[in-house]
Amino acid sequence: QVQLVESGGGVVQPGGSLRLSCAASGFTFSSYGMHWVRQAPGKGLEWVAFIRYDGSNKYYADSVKGRFTISRDNSKNTLYLQMNSLRAEDTAVYYCAKDQAIVGATLLFDYWGQGTLVTVSS
Amino acid sequence: EIVMTQSPATLSVSPGERATLSCRASQSVSSNLAWYQQKPGQAPRLLIYGASTRATGIPARFSGSGSGTEFTLTISSLQSEDFAVYYCQQYNNWPPRPYTFGQGTKLEIK
Repeated sequence: QVQLVESGGGVVQPGGSLRLSCAASGFTFSSYGMHWVRQAPGKGLEWVAFIRYDGSNKYYADSVKGRFTISRDNSKNTLYLQMNSLRAEDTAVYYCAKDQAIVGATLLFDYWGQGTLVTVSS
Repeated sequence: EIVMTQSPATLSVSPGERATLSCRASQSVSSNLAWYQQKPGQAPRLLIYGASTRATGIPARFSGSGSGTEFTLTISSLQSEDFAVYYCQQYNNWPPRPYTFGQGTKLEIK
């Protein structure tokens, strides 16, 4: 069965950095685009970033562009989110999510990880 | 940018009764509309996509309808495990935009 397991969250000071990981299993990771979606405490869902199956294209929300970098290692079945210049408003649970389309992109999230909490606070 | 608006914000329904949740798009998203269920402390789960197709393993009491700008999620006979927050999401536009989700409807026990 599909499994997505995030790690790397924690408490970081404003201006600091953090790298999140998402270990995937149960499907052919190298054939699917992957997303990061976040949820601030008590708030709704916000799409953050997407990477195509082969890493050839990446897209970001304006709120994180230039600060966050999405990447993947298909040999390790792992997705990453490098977060730099963190701000208080980046505090959220970060979910990795699999795109439904094989070798494509739909922005339809058919499987989600359990999430990892990032807290930006001094 | 397409804005998704869900109503009501909170819906109180008794177990065994029917629940109807609404989602409106600020412009047409065709049938590229999904519904997700999120329970406290858990990740969202895909329920419905293509406006009316149930995802794998989703019970038949969940149904979706609509196209264009008006969509509905109906839960025919509420079970205790159905009380959660429900989000609609449009996936009609590319590249993605952050506010692809509605703000959510909390379904609570009456």
